Amino acid sequence: NAGVTQTPKFQVLKTGQSMTLQCAQDMNHNSMYWYRQDPGMGLRLIYYSASEGTTDKGEVPNGYNVSRLNKREFSLRLESAAPSQTSVYFCASSGLVQETQYFGPGTRLLVL
Amino acid sequence: GEDVEQSLFLSVREGDSSVINCTYTDSSSTYLYWYKQEPGAGLQLLTYIFSNMDMKQDQRLTVLLNKKDKHLSLRIADTQTGDSAIYFCAESFMDTGRRALTFGSGTRLQVQP
Repeated sequence: NAGVTQTPKFQVLKTGQSMTLQCAQDMNHNSMYWYRQDPGMGLRLIYYSASEGTTDKGEVPNGYNVSRLNKREFSLRLESAAPSQTSVYFCASSGLVQETQYFGPGTRLLVL
Repeated sequence: GEDVEQSLFLSVREGDSSVINCTYTDSSSTYLYWYKQEPGAGLQLLTYIFSNMDMKQDQRLTVLLNKKDKHLSLRIADTQTGDSAIYFCAESFMDTGRRALTFGSGTRLQVQP
């Protein structure tokens, strides 16, 4: 039981490049989330998926797209990376009834 | 609106108690959480409290909730150097149709030996 896993752990991109951050959970959770964490700030919600087949925007969705591939996997795509997207990205999941969210270890992204 | 505030930094000596405070603005929150983040790591859930409770104790951790003042605190008894980390409080909502958390900016706890 690995919980929430994220790949890659680190990534360096040039401005304009694209990439996809992967997230998977093995807890049979219905809801999954993507957050970004910037220095001196708490986590801000980018997108979430309340259940398989649905996705919704969070607080800071611009420049990102998501795909809920199946119940286990929720990916975050940057189509054209910008330096402002340099951040640490966290994926989380929660069950239907219980609100508690469990977090992955994060992906550190640097956009030059 | 949704806003969660925390002080930025707390320094204590090993063996003392630590109290980390948090204020929130939305009275409709249902659960309030404390997460711990060690350097270079993800967020680890420490404890949570349902909004109709006023206290929860879990080993060295005590959570106090004052709904009238919208104030949440986390007390760590007998603080150890391994408790050095950033602590985030967060609130969640049931009535917005989305299960997401609003986080404070985190309190960095430094434990001096």
